Amino acid sequence: AQKVTQAQTEISVVEKEDVTLDCVYETRDTTYYLFWYKQPPSGELVFLIRRNSFDEQNEISGRYSWNFQKSTSSFNFTITASQVVDSAVYFCALSEGGYGQNFVFGPGTRLSVLP
Amino acid sequence: DGGITQSPKYLFRKEGQNVTLSCEQNLNHDAMYWYRQDPGQGLRLIYYSQIVNDFQKGDIAEGYSVSREKKESFPLTVTSAQKNPTAFYLCASSIDRTNEQFFGPGTRLTVL
Repeated sequence: AQKVTQAQTEISVVEKEDVTLDCVYETRDTTYYLFWYKQPPSGELVFLIRRNSFDEQNEISGRYSWNFQKSTSSFNFTITASQVVDSAVYFCALSEGGYGQNFVFGPGTRLSVLP
Repeated sequence: DGGITQSPKYLFRKEGQNVTLSCEQNLNHDAMYWYRQDPGQGLRLIYYSQIVNDFQKGDIAEGYSVSREKKESFPLTVTSAQKNPTAFYLCASSIDRTNEQFFGPGTRLTVL
């Protein structure tokens, strides 16, 4: 069965610090998709990134970067120079390529960025 | 603007009553989903639909029912059989299972 682990329940950093959110996944499929979402205090989940299992290139988008490593089944998310507006709960998710499978969300990591 | 709408934002229900949560999307997505989120917890899948007139149970379907008569709409009914329905309910849609899901603003249901 597919599974997503986010071992860090809560993280607190001071503004301008860099922070990495860990995500480890389990799947038996060779084709799968990984995602990160942000849930600010308002509650609505915001999509951040999608990565398929055949593309291990790291990605950078502004202050956000993602490190996908199949060898360790990890898809970590780094925020550089964190800001108070980054405070939110961040979810990692996995979708397998086979029929009948769906998204599995990790438990989330609550990030607090202090001014 | 394209997106997903959920109504109402807040909903109060007396014990023993059924209540229906609305979810509408104008993104032309085939797949739609309902999730439940309890305070401080992650998302749990209630039901999902990959196409009109078809839907499957998720991990916690007991006490819930859905319909998918139109591509744009996927209402969720919380029945009196759901023992602990107070939670935050999120609806989502996607092109298909392997693509990113887009979420609505959610409905907070409180049972009095």
